[in-house]
Amino acid sequence: EAGVTQFPSHSVIEKGQTVTLRCDPISGHDNLYWYRRVMGKEIKFLLHFVKESKQDESGMPNNRFLAERTGGTYSTLKVQPAELEDSGVYFCASSRETGGLGTLKAFFGQGTRLTVV
Amino acid sequence: AQSVSQHNHHVILSEAASLELGCNYSYGGTVNLFWYVQYPGQHLQLLLKYFSGDPLVKGIKGFEAEFIKSKFSFNLRKPSVQWSDTAEYFCAVTSYNQGGKLIFGQGTELSVKP
Repeated sequence: EAGVTQFPSHSVIEKGQTVTLRCDPISGHDNLYWYRRVMGKEIKFLLHFVKESKQDESGMPNNRFLAERTGGTYSTLKVQPAELEDSGVYFCASSRETGGLGTLKAFFGQGTRLTVV
Repeated sequence: AQSVSQHNHHVILSEAASLELGCNYSYGGTVNLFWYVQYPGQHLQLLLKYFSGDPLVKGIKGFEAEFIKSKFSFNLRKPSVQWSDTAEYFCAVTSYNQGGKLIFGQGTELSVKP
C-alpha cells in the first residue's frame, strides 16, 4: 500500500511569493489532515477534510492560507503571499476511519519543509 | 483548550541506558493518547496508543507507556535504548468528537550514543 506523499519535500521562496504544497493521501482514505511545525515548537493542526469538504479549519492561521481537496482525492495548501513566519514543516496525514477513531490508523507523509527568506 | 507538554526537549543517552520521556496533557474529559516517532529523514510513525483498558500499553520496538489519569500523564519508557532509537518523539492527545484532530507536544529529540 502506497503511503501518504507530499510534494515538494523542500521549498525555498522569497517573502511575498506564492507557494503551493501538495498532499496525496492513501487511496480510499476519506480523511485528510494538514499540520504545521514551526521551528522549535509543537506540531499544530491546521485543518481536516472529509472527502472534498472542510470538516474543521480552526487551525488555519489567517486568510493567506487556502486549502483545497479537489474531488476528494489529493489536497493542496497554498500560501499567498508568504511571510517569514510561515517557515516550517507542513505535514499531511490521512485515515480511513472517521470521528474519534480517525487517529487509530492515521498515516503521515514526510512533510514539506518551507523556508521563506 | 487541550494542550500537551513534553518535559525534555533533548535527551542524550548511551546505548543500553533506560529511557523515560515525560508527557502531561491538559484536558478534563476522556482522552486518547499517542506517542509518535520520527526517525531522521522519515515520516511520523505511531509508536503506541492508549484508548481504554489497561493503562500500561506496549508498542513497537520495545517501547511502553503508562497512562496515569490522576497525574494527567502518559510517559514513554524503554528499558534499554539502542543507537537506532535516535529520533524525535512526540506525545499527542485527542478526545471524543475531535474528528481525529491531534494536539501534539513540542517533541523530544533523543540522541543515543553507540
